[in-house]
Amino acid sequence: EVQLVESGGGLGQPGRSLRLSCLTSGFTFGDYTMSWVRQAPGKGLEWVGFIRSNTYGGTAEYAASVKDRFTISRDDSKSIAYLQMNDLQTEDTAVYYCASRRPRSVSISFDSWGQGTLVTVSS
Amino acid sequence: SYVLTQPPSVSVAPGQTAKIPCRGNNIGTKSVHWYHQKPGQAPVLVVYDDRDRPSGIPERFSGSNSGNTATLTISRVEAGDEADYYCQVWDSDSDHVVFGGGTELIVL
Repeated sequence: EVQLVESGGGLGQPGRSLRLSCLTSGFTFGDYTMSWVRQAPGKGLEWVGFIRSNTYGGTAEYAASVKDRFTISRDDSKSIAYLQMNDLQTEDTAVYYCASRRPRSVSISFDSWGQGTLVTVSS
Repeated sequence: SYVLTQPPSVSVAPGQTAKIPCRGNNIGTKSVHWYHQKPGQAPVLVVYDDRDRPSGIPERFSGSNSGNTATLTISRVEAGDEADYYCQVWDSDSDHVVFGGGTELIVL
């Protein structure tokens, strides 16, 4: 059974940092592109970024709203994806989901999701 | 950046057919994916690559995509289909993922 479990959410102060983790099991983590998607309270889904598998260069892409502040990384030996969030802003308050890309497709969609972890940015 | 537009809500009576549009410039040239999300839960992929269904998704869910509009169609709507529905594409030009704003399906 595929499982994705996020952790590391909580209260963060403006300008400070938080790191989220996404522990996975049930699939060959190293073969998959992993993504982070967030949802502000009462709002829709917003893509944050993704990191490709090392087979495809391990490169990452980010939404403009978080570029240069957030960094996605992966530890294939532990089957964990990370989201390092620096210079937190109040508008970063959201539930953060990790998701795995559906395999064997030219396009990118996400067929497995974690339950989400809430990040609240406030002084 | 690429933009996807969805109506805020769509209402339908039980047993009828709901159609949820997702509009984007030449969206017919992209692969469109659809998710539903119930309150307090994570999104669930219901249609991928315009019209394919993951295992476990009922045949009542179908998709189409042409021109500037993709559509998620839910036949024989049930009360349990009430949820927010999101369309999503991967914009290969920017290598970015884009979500629509979401549509609340209201079952009357």
